[in-house]
This record gives sequence, C-alpha cells and structure tokens, in this order.
Amino acid sequence: AQKVTQAQTEISVVEKEDVTLDCVYETRDTTYYLFWYKQPPSGELVFLIRRNSFDEQNEISGRYSWNFQKSTSSFNFTITASQVVDSAVYFCALSEYAYTGANSKLTFGKGITLSVRP
Amino acid sequence: EAQVTQNPRYLITVTGKKLTVTCSQNMNHEYMSWYRQDPGLGLRQIYYSMNVEVTDKGDVPEGYKVSRKEKRNFPLILESPSPNQTSLYFCASSLFGVGTDTQYFGPGTRLTVL
Repeated sequence: AQKVTQAQTEISVVEKEDVTLDCVYETRDTTYYLFWYKQPPSGELVFLIRRNSFDEQNEISGRYSWNFQKSTSSFNFTITASQVVDSAVYFCALSEYAYTGANSKLTFGKGITLSVRP
Repeated sequence: EAQVTQNPRYLITVTGKKLTVTCSQNMNHEYMSWYRQDPGLGLRQIYYSMNVEVTDKGDVPEGYKVSRKEKRNFPLILESPSPNQTSLYFCASSLFGVGTDTQYFGPGTRLTVL
C-alpha cells in the first residue's frame, strides 16, 4: 500500500530564510506520481507540482524548488527567501499509475504547517 | 474559467438531519472524488467516480453516499449525519482516473454536525 510521511509537523522561520519541507513515500509500483499542494489559511488546496517516477530532474519555479531522489524515496520541497505569504499547510501526495477502471486516489501526508514571521 | 465548485461552503447542522453537498466541474473531467480533511490525518478519500454511473468506495466511505448521474456533478450525501462527520470536505476532479492526471480541488465545505 502506498504511504506518504511528512515527519515535520510545524516549521517556523523568519522571512527571507530558506526552508525545506521533507516528504518520504512508500510504494511498490515502479510508475507513480508525486505532488505538492499548498493550503493557505483561506483553506483551498492549490496545486504546486506533479512529478512522475521516471523523471528525477530537480525542478525550480521562482523561489520554489523540488528535489526528487528515488534512492531515498524522497521528494523534498525548498522555499528560498521565504515570505509571509508562504505561510500555509503544505501537503505531499502520491498516486500510483493504474489501468483504466482502477482508482487513482491521492494518498496524502499529514501536512506541514509553515509559519513565516516578518 | 475552469473550476470545481462546491456548495455550501459552510454548513452547521444537527445529528440525523439529511444533507447534500454538491460538487460540479466544468472541465469535462471523467474522474471525480470526495476527500475529508481532519486535523493530524491529512486528506482521506471517501468515494470516487470513474465516469457517469460508475462509483466506488474510498478509504472512509461509512456514513456517506454518492451518485454520478451527470458527468459534471458528483454530490455527497449524508443520510444521517453524526458529530464524527464534522470535517472539511473537498471535491476533486481530473481528466482521467489513471493516476497520471493532476486532481483539481474545489474550495472546500466546512461541515459541523452538532
């Protein structure tokens, strides 16, 4: 069964600090997809990134970067020069590739609450 | 604008009073799903639907029903709500249900059962 572990529950940083959110996953499949979602205080879930298991290239999008390492089953998320607007709950999620007709649910980690202080 | 909508956004009700939370998407997605979010537990899937008239249980289906009579709509029905169903509910949709597509989430419905 698939599982996602976000061992950090709460992180507090001062604005402009870099912060890394850890995500470790478990799956028996060779084809799977990893996601990060952001949940700001307003409550909606905002999609940040999707990565498939065959693409281990790191990704950078502005101040955000993701490090995918299959050897350690990790998909970590780094925010560079954090800002107050980055304060949110961040979820890592995993879905396994399934053939047509099978469920493709997202398995979520429990989330990391990031607080960025001015 | 491509979106998933849910109604109501907030609901306070009493034990045993039947309620329905609606979910609608305008992206012609085949796959739709309901999740509930509880503190310390993350999001857990309740029910999902691969297409019209095709629904199945997720991880926590007890006390819930769903239907998929039209492609765009996937209502969540609580026939006899109980306090342990107090939660934040999200509807999600994706083009297909094979794990390759990004799931897009509605704004959430915060339900309180007294």
